[in-house]
Amino acid sequence: DTGVSQDPRHKITKRGQNVTFRCDPISEHNRLYWYRQTLGQGPEFLTYFQNEAQLEKSRLLSDRFSAERPKGSFSTLEIQRTEQGDSAMYLCASSLSQNSYEQYFGPGTRLTVT
Amino acid sequence: SQQGEEDPQALSIQEGENATMNCSYKTSINNLQWYRQNSGRGLVHLILIRSNEREKHSGRLRVTLDTSKKSSSLLITASRAADTASYFCATDVSGSTLGRLYFGRGTQLTVWP
Repeated sequence: DTGVSQDPRHKITKRGQNVTFRCDPISEHNRLYWYRQTLGQGPEFLTYFQNEAQLEKSRLLSDRFSAERPKGSFSTLEIQRTEQGDSAMYLCASSLSQNSYEQYFGPGTRLTVT
Repeated sequence: SQQGEEDPQALSIQEGENATMNCSYKTSINNLQWYRQNSGRGLVHLILIRSNEREKHSGRLRVTLDTSKKSSSLLITASRAADTASYFCATDVSGSTLGRLYFGRGTQLTVWP
């Protein structure tokens, strides 16, 4: 499969626990985005990487959230001290820069905080 | 905040009919994109229209863009049950992070066999 993959697909955790999600973009794509989607809403931008550099973070990304993209390949999104309000679908997307603006989305990780 | 708003929020039609969804947005854009999302899954890119384009076709899809009214429409012709999904418009806003997309809340399309 040459698409964007995310792991895990589902995560149930208790409030206060830390969770980490992984995204593997399409191999030649140098741009990687994280979005969050809650029920009945469209995806909301969280953060963006160009290769290994994190170039923008949304104000939605509180200090409990951290994202990395070591070596410009896969990316991880960690949420510390989870809260019930963090329950959402976390989507990763990648794109190829230079005249290509369409984004390819992964299947998402659905987080439920109990 | 969400830049685009789709209308209607829900649309229910019979197979073979055409489905039209509208999107309005607030600020200048580089391009506007439409995505489809099947229940609880990732988004699939359908079509992109640049700010200097007025109409674009792809298979059974037709997209229009009116930058003076800050609006776009997506027409799906001869709909099929497999077209049942949520459809989102997403804008690439001028002056924003390159490629960052602002999504609307989506239109839920149901196509009955």
